[in-house]
Amino acid sequence: QQQVKQSPQSLIVQKGGISIINCAYENTAFDYFPWYQQFPGKGPALLIAIRPDVSEKKEGRFTISFNKSAKQFSLHIMDSQPGDSATYFCAASIRNTGKLIFGQGTTLQVKP
Amino acid sequence: GAVVSQHPSRVICKSGTSVKIECRSLDFQATTMFWYRQFPKQSLMLMATSNEGSKATYEQGVEKDKFLINHASLTLSTLTVTSAHPEDSSFYICSAYSGRMAGELFFGEGSRLTVL
Repeated sequence: QQQVKQSPQSLIVQKGGISIINCAYENTAFDYFPWYQQFPGKGPALLIAIRPDVSEKKEGRFTISFNKSAKQFSLHIMDSQPGDSATYFCAASIRNTGKLIFGQGTTLQVKP
Repeated sequence: GAVVSQHPSRVICKSGTSVKIECRSLDFQATTMFWYRQFPKQSLMLMATSNEGSKATYEQGVEKDKFLINHASLTLSTLTVTSAHPEDSSFYICSAYSGRMAGELFFGEGSRLTVL
């Protein structure tokens, strides 16, 4: 119930392509779904987040798509760049607790 | 934006010694701080939730006597790894939460612990 399942584990995309990472959850009490980017040896940095009252949120090249009925959400990185090469984590939490449950992570490599 | 500072960023210690890691929220008051552990190429695993002035709540499987957490003020939480062993070598990351909005959660840069 507390798990967040993330796929794929790793992803290789050509520069300019679209990177898509998927996550699924079970606990219907989750109501906050952020995505984090992490570089080696650094803490995670918030990229974008969504609440279940909207189906899509876009910030620059990053878009979250949210499917409440399927309990799934995904991150789309448009026009992927080599600088986007990092590990991406989806997460979920219950409103106003700050307690995040992380997905397993996806290592993205964007080839020039 | 808000900054959460962790210190030290790297620490190497001998087996059997204790190590303290500090997590500070620099420009806001954190009602709650969280401690995560991350092994190489793995996800962040929540270890404990720390509320100012009260005992930490530990996740299942985390030894509270081994990982001592103190949250003495609204800007400082400490994690002490007691009697460290090589298997405790990991990346420890804290996050600080202001309690006002779910988005106001900020991560530290992490502390790399190596136990020889």
